Amino acid sequence: EVQLLESGGILVQPGGSLRLSCAASGFSFSSYAMSWVRQAPGKGLDWVSTLSGPGGSTYYSDSVKGRFTISRDNSKNTLYLQMSSLRVEDTAVYYCAKVDFGKYALDVWGQGTLVTVSS
Amino acid sequence: DIQMTQSPSTLSASVGDRVTITCRASESFSTWLAWYQQKPGKAPKLLIYKASKLQSGVPSRFSASGSGTEFTLTISSLQLDDLGTYYCQQFHTYPWTFGHGTKVEIK
Repeated sequence: EVQLLESGGILVQPGGSLRLSCAASGFSFSSYAMSWVRQAPGKGLDWVSTLSGPGGSTYYSDSVKGRFTISRDNSKNTLYLQMSSLRVEDTAVYYCAKVDFGKYALDVWGQGTLVTVSS
Repeated sequence: DIQMTQSPSTLSASVGDRVTITCRASESFSTWLAWYQQKPGKAPKLLIYKASKLQSGVPSRFSASGSGTEFTLTISSLQLDDLGTYYCQQFHTYPWTFGHGTKVEIK
């Protein structure tokens, strides 16, 4: 079964840093691009970042560019999101998702991890 | 950035009704569009990819069409299990953008 399991979400103060993890199983992780998508409380979905599979190209939304870094460890089948200079407006559930470029869709999603930025 | 405008924002219909959700893009593109369903407290689930292709395991009462700047998602006969919020997402260019969502309520 294809699964994604996020972890690392906590309460952090504004200006702080945090690293989220997403453990993948059930598919050839290294062959697929992966994304992070967030959802602020009561709001819609907001694409954050995408990391390609083999090529390693990275893409970010303007709201996180320069503050967040997406990376992966293919030996551990794990995707990461390093978050720094956190702001109150970064408070959200963060989902990792598998990208299927054959379908141009996010075809598998994790259950999400909650990041709360507050003093 | 490509803006995705969904309408309506909320939809209330009865079981068995045919419902349609529209997603309009600020720029024209081909079929690089997906639709997702999100039930309360759950992660989104892929319903439709490439504008009109039904994801495996999704009931056939869901269908979609469109290209250019206008895309639609249709539920041919609304069921209780279809309660939730529906989002479109474009993959034509970065940043990938979502519509603001359409909340489907059952009367």
